[in-house]
Amino acid sequence: GNSVTQMEGPVTLSEEAFLTINCTYTATGYPSLFWYVQYPGEGLQLLLKATKADDKGSNKGFEATYRKETTSFHLEKGSVQVSDSAVYFCALSRGGYNKLIFGAGTRLAVHP
Amino acid sequence: DADVTQTPRNRITKTGKRIMLECSQTKGHDRMYWYRQDPGLGLRLIYYSFDVKDINKGEISDGYSVSRQAQAKFSLSLESAIPNQTALYFCATSETDRPNTGELFFGEGSRLTVL
Repeated sequence: GNSVTQMEGPVTLSEEAFLTINCTYTATGYPSLFWYVQYPGEGLQLLLKATKADDKGSNKGFEATYRKETTSFHLEKGSVQVSDSAVYFCALSRGGYNKLIFGAGTRLAVHP
Repeated sequence: DADVTQTPRNRITKTGKRIMLECSQTKGHDRMYWYRQDPGLGLRLIYYSFDVKDINKGEISDGYSVSRQAQAKFSLSLESAIPNQTALYFCATSETDRPNTGELFFGEGSRLTVL
């Protein structure tokens, strides 16, 4: 079946450090891939997405590239800020009905 | 005001009690969803509704029921709560005319504790 696997957290970084959060997926066909972010006390919100192989999604300095050959969609940011502290969820969508399958989430803590 | 509003935000109840979590939205979306979030498990889909007359089970619907009272309202009920239903519950909405865009709009969550 379809599934998403994320690296376990928490990830703890100093401000301005480089961030990578790994995400791999298992799916039939060609899923769309997403990163959602959950700030403390809030619901999830879409961070970025990619709908086909080799697409790069980007937003707020975050990037992720849809790699079909490695079934991966790793999230990266060149210089994190304290305000990036949150839980990040990788997700995939199949079937055309916005029925997302989420990974377990990775908590990021950025310290000054 | 939030576009997707959930009530209550926090609830503590006892085993066997009936609980209803309510969701209302002002986004005008036809599609609404209920997810539960558990540590280490991410979010799992409980029920979803594509319009007032269409309700579908998600991957973990056992022990839950839903009601779509109007386009803007989607309620989740636990008929007889049990401790392993302790979780953070999220309501979400999405647009109809953009299938598979993956953009869900979430409420702030309802934290339920069953003792």
